[in-house]
Amino acid sequence: DAGVTQSPTHLIKTRGQQVTLRCSPKSGHDTVSWYQQALGQGPQFIFQYYEEEERQRGNFPDRFSGHQFPNYSSELNVNALLLGDSALYLCASSPRTGDYGYTFGSGTRLTVV
Amino acid sequence: QKEVEQNSGPLSVPEGAIASLNCTYSDRVSQSFFWYRQYSGKSPELIMSIYSNGDKEDGRFTAQLNKASQYVSLLIRDSQPSDSATYLCAVLGGFKTIFGAGTRLFVKA
Repeated sequence: DAGVTQSPTHLIKTRGQQVTLRCSPKSGHDTVSWYQQALGQGPQFIFQYYEEEERQRGNFPDRFSGHQFPNYSSELNVNALLLGDSALYLCASSPRTGDYGYTFGSGTRLTVV
Repeated sequence: QKEVEQNSGPLSVPEGAIASLNCTYSDRVSQSFFWYRQYSGKSPELIMSIYSNGDKEDGRFTAQLNKASQYVSLLIRDSQPSDSATYLCAVLGGFKTIFGAGTRLFVKA
């Protein structure tokens, strides 16, 4: 049973560039949540996708956008990258409401130079 | 006030001891509470969930919830060096799960 798959594992981008991160949820899960985790901090909620729509959003600027596809996989896009966007980006999947907790992918380490 | 607060630690305990990790939350209507373990350089892993007041035991782990005090704790019995990690307290509010900053635990052999 495949868990949550994220790609790429590592990424180095230049300030001002755009990046797309990808996530395939665990089999049987239809909800995908994205988190940003800076070094030494807890994961910060970016947004959640369910039924191909953004269901809830955290306190992140519009530079952060996403998408969910009919097969439940999801993308996170970040435009106009800033140095402060350097972090571990985590994808978490769950069945519908997250009442039973999340399964996390291994994350994408983004470095903005 | 942060929504989910944890002591950042580090908390250091000897092997075989009980490690006690604590967490407070601000949203009184929260109904689902979780503990995740995160090893250095890895992603979080769900280890416990608790939904009602009282204790919930799973192997060496016991989660405790007190909704009146808005307090969640995790006890790790017979701590092992392999338990050394950051423990994240998480609270489900609406559709989003809010995480604390985590408590670093070191178990000394």
